Amino acid sequence: AQKVTQAQTEISVVEKEDVTLDCVYETRDTTYYLFWYKQPPSGELVFLIRRNSFDEQNEISGRYSWNFQKSTSSFNFTITASQVVDSAVYFCALSSGTYKYIFGTGTRLKVLA
Amino acid sequence: DVKVTQSSRYLVKRTGEKVFLECVQDMDHENMFWYRQDPGLGLRLIYFSYDVKMKEKGDIPEGYSVSREKKERFSLILESASTNQTSMYLCASSLVTDSHQPQHFGDGTRLSIL
Repeated sequence: AQKVTQAQTEISVVEKEDVTLDCVYETRDTTYYLFWYKQPPSGELVFLIRRNSFDEQNEISGRYSWNFQKSTSSFNFTITASQVVDSAVYFCALSSGTYKYIFGTGTRLKVLA
Repeated sequence: DVKVTQSSRYLVKRTGEKVFLECVQDMDHENMFWYRQDPGLGLRLIYFSYDVKMKEKGDIPEGYSVSREKKERFSLILESASTNQTSMYLCASSLVTDSHQPQHFGDGTRLSIL
């Protein structure tokens, strides 16, 4: 069975703090893809990153970084020096074998000024 | 940039009505998807389509049907709306060349069934 767990339902931080959003996945497939999406209050999910199972290199994009560890089946997302505009619901998703995504339940991040 | 447009941001309907949610994408994507989003449950796939007139059931198809007569348009139909179908509905599209391409989402339709 495939599953994505985002155990943190809601996180509140003060602006400029660093914050890590956790994502743990389950799959028996050896080839799979992991995604992170951001859903601001406007509602549209915005694609942030895709990783495939053969690429465990961490990635940094500005204040965003992603840590992919197959050994712990985790794909965590860190925002450095958080800003109010980072307030959103963040979804982790898994895709393997079909067109289907398996989404986690999302983590609501509140960044307080 | 890909644009996925959903016909309504907010919609209020009555129990038993037939409801149509429309979605149009402008990037010639083969795949289109309908999800519903509920608090604590994340996004759940209702139906998807990988070509015109083709459709496949997702995880929660009961009470819904879809139509894809043209490549750019994917409609979700609630045959006889019920209160438990009150939810946020999200449409998405993606290329078929790689089945793991990122999906591009619309703004969502918040549907209330009274």
